[in-house]
Amino acid sequence: ELKVEQNPLFLSMQEGKNYTIYCNYSTTSDRLYWYRQDPGKSLESLFVLLSNGAVKQEGRLMASLDTKARLSTLHITAAVHDLSATYFCAVDMVGGPGTASKLTFGTGTRLQVTL
Amino acid sequence: ETGVTQSPTHLIKTRGQQVTLRCSSQSGHNTVSWYQQALGQGPQFIFQYYREEENGRGNFPPRFSGLQFPNYSSELNVNALELDDSALYLCASSRPGLNTEAFFGQGTRLTVV
Repeated sequence: ELKVEQNPLFLSMQEGKNYTIYCNYSTTSDRLYWYRQDPGKSLESLFVLLSNGAVKQEGRLMASLDTKARLSTLHITAAVHDLSATYFCAVDMVGGPGTASKLTFGTGTRLQVTL
Repeated sequence: ETGVTQSPTHLIKTRGQQVTLRCSSQSGHNTVSWYQQALGQGPQFIFQYYREEENGRGNFPPRFSGLQFPNYSSELNVNALELDDSALYLCASSRPGLNTEAFFGQGTRLTVV
């Protein structure tokens, strides 16, 4: 059974600081996604990582994937208050032919950026 | 191009009742997946529908069932509701192809009392 673990579960950081969220998963997968969720809202796709060594950046967020270590990281640079949300990583389960993603989500990291 | 839409947005049901949640997939998407997100947890995969047939199921009992229609829209039915079924139910649609990205709707918040 695929297990996905994130740490930390809760992160309080000051504006302007840097930090990294870690996502470990238990079985082989080449596809990993990062989502953002605001309270009471749905999931917003941030990054899709499709191969070992993939690195993607958008604004103050950068995500990377190491499939050998079964590890993905989401790095936050110079945090701002607007980044406060819950962040989930999700690993794609192996599907059959012609099938779309079936995701196993981590527990989420609740990020609070303080002034 | 319209996104994934779900209805209703909120729902309150009594334990033991049955509920139907609806999802319209994004234009051009033929696969629909359903997820349950309990408060404070990550979403859990319920099942996926492709070409009107179930195409994979998570660890959910048979009282969770679904349908997909020829226009690719989908329903999630839950019978004999339990208090623990209270959650945000998310629908995601995907384009044809192997392991294509899932796009999520806004969700239906179900409360069972």
